[in-house]
Amino acid sequence: DSGVTQTPKHLITATGQRVTLRCSPRSGDLSVYWYQQSLDQGLQFLIQYYNGEERAKGNILERFSAQQFPDLHSELNLSSLELGDSALYFCASSVLPLGSGLPEAFFGQGTRLTVV
Amino acid sequence: GNSVTQMEGPVTLSEEAFLTINCTYTATGYPSLFWYVQYPGEGLQLLLKATKADDKGSNKGFEATYRKETTSFHLEKGSVQVSDSAVYFCALSETQGGSEKLVFGKGTKLTVNP
Repeated sequence: DSGVTQTPKHLITATGQRVTLRCSPRSGDLSVYWYQQSLDQGLQFLIQYYNGEERAKGNILERFSAQQFPDLHSELNLSSLELGDSALYFCASSVLPLGSGLPEAFFGQGTRLTVV
Repeated sequence: GNSVTQMEGPVTLSEEAFLTINCTYTATGYPSLFWYVQYPGEGLQLLLKATKADDKGSNKGFEATYRKETTSFHLEKGSVQVSDSAVYFCALSETQGGSEKLVFGKGTKLTVNP
């Protein structure tokens, strides 16, 4: 158990809908990362937050947004869903933003989103 | 941008066979390099890492050496077990806007048969 909790584990929804994925980082970790894992694109970095503020942005669509709350949990909001958004969405956390010394990033088990 | 290329899978081996999964990278500067493992139904776990050239990361019988001259970080294990069946991801750290993030290869699925 990595200590990172993601809910729900599975989500099935229709095209055009909006969903929210939730991530609780390890106790004491201030930094949260979101990744999308699909068969054709592999693991793609979406966005990173540190202590409530956005720190880095990757290949995140405009239909997607995220935030980190004062209690450090994070939510990834996906709207106007398309079939191609079906993927496994991972959250990871680390004590600090990954930098020199590079503390380890711990991954949750992921949320499997299926858009039908 | 930076990128990681790892050998296409799937890889199927018999128990006690020797494993090599190739990984090469393209990066500016000197990133840290990682191997992550994803067991079925689970999230990614850090397997090993190396932070500078010629460093060797090792864990659970797996090893990888940071080779700057060949921009490689190949994963090796001398004798695989059925329990090593998983997807293995090579990754590097990339600095963006003062923060670092991980850039992953596409993963290599390993199946070890008894």
